[in-house]
Amino acid sequence: ILNVEQSPQSLHVQEGDSTNFTCSFPSSNFYALHWYRWETAKSPEALFVMTLNGDEKKKGRISATLNTKEGYSYLYIKGSQPEDSATYLCAFPAVLIQGAQKLVFGQGTRLTINP
Amino acid sequence: KAGVTQTPRYLIKTRGQQVTLSCSPISGHRSVSWYQQTPGQGLQFLFEYFSETQRNKGNFPGRFSGRQFSNSRSEMNVSTLELGDSALYLCASSLGSSGYTFGSGTRLTVV
Repeated sequence: ILNVEQSPQSLHVQEGDSTNFTCSFPSSNFYALHWYRWETAKSPEALFVMTLNGDEKKKGRISATLNTKEGYSYLYIKGSQPEDSATYLCAFPAVLIQGAQKLVFGQGTRLTINP
Repeated sequence: KAGVTQTPRYLIKTRGQQVTLSCSPISGHRSVSWYQQTPGQGLQFLFEYFSETQRNKGNFPGRFSGRQFSNSRSEMNVSTLELGDSALYLCASSLGSSGYTFGSGTRLTVV
């Protein structure tokens, strides 16, 4: 059974502070790792699809790193703003038969930015 | 371009009834996946369709079924609803391994 773990489950950060959280995933049969940002009442929004060990991707103030050998990824937010408040999900694509995939999601990290 | 559209957004049904949810993927996307989120649970994979064929199904009872039409639109059906089926149902479309685009979901409440 594939297990994707995220920590912490929730986080309260002061506006302007930087923060980071972790996603742990199986290091064997690695294919890719996805990060999503999910605001309340909206659809999950794709942030990054990471595929290479040592990858680092950046989108504005948000960046992510990947270590496939030890099975973890970090998501960093620099200079948090209230609009960063959301649940951040990581997902591990499990490759199934016939070329199909399913995403195995972590429980998410719920980030609240305090003004 | 239009995103993934799910209808309806909200639904209230009674135990024992059945329900059909709809998902229209991004134009050109042939793969549609469905996920369930219940309170306290992460997103759980229900099934995935590609070119009108169900390629895989998650660990859900046979009351959960789906289909995909030739225009890639997908429906999922839950028969004999139970209280525990109350959840947010998300669908996602993809072109392949480049990532998924999610709809806003249908929130189903079973009373």
